[in-house]
Amino acid sequence: GENVEQHPSTLSVQEGDSAVIKCTYSDSASNYFPWYKQELGKRPQLIIDIRSNVGEKKDQRIAVTLNKTAKHFSLHITETQPEDSAVYFCAALSGSARQLTFGSGTQLTVLP
Amino acid sequence: EAGVTQFPSHSVIEKGQTVTLRCDPISGHDNLYWYRRVMGKEIKFLLHFVKESKQDESGMPNNRFLAERTGGTYSTLKVQPAELEDSGVYFCASSGTSGRVGEQFFGPGTRLTVL
Repeated sequence: GENVEQHPSTLSVQEGDSAVIKCTYSDSASNYFPWYKQELGKRPQLIIDIRSNVGEKKDQRIAVTLNKTAKHFSLHITETQPEDSAVYFCAALSGSARQLTFGSGTQLTVLP
Repeated sequence: EAGVTQFPSHSVIEKGQTVTLRCDPISGHDNLYWYRRVMGKEIKFLLHFVKESKQDESGMPNNRFLAERTGGTYSTLKVQPAELEDSGVYFCASSGTSGRVGEQFFGPGTRLTVL
């Protein structure tokens, strides 16, 4: 089955700096890679996703890159703000399965 | 459009007791998933319904867990009898069959504490 590794587990940055979270996956059949943000006590919210037919996708201050050859994908947040503080999860969806396999999460703290 | 809802938000029970969690997916979503996050670890898949049928229950930990989705609408997840290691946050998610394949919408979760 699919296995997703996520690093780092915790990340602290100064407000205005960039944050990068990296994930690797094992199943070459995986073709959909979402990122979820979970604020304390709230539901995981999809913030951006990428499919295997593209290498990069941007949405304002958030971008995701995908390297299918190396089987890794990354989340980039620029000009971080305190409200970006949350736990971020990467995930992968295998072509054959419908369930998401998640990384272990990254606690991002943006210091004012 | 209402999102995925879950009930209760919190449940504290003693070891050996029974608890039933409920999930109401987004209206019209055929796919319903149960996930669990234990002790700050990753969110792990439990099972997947397509309408009322169990499509994949490979993530269910053992036979103390029983999930149902009668009529293909809301779903329940029963834990009987509960053990200490069952503590965690149980998430439900749903997705439709049309539109963007793979995009799953999560509920707020039920925090289960087994004492």
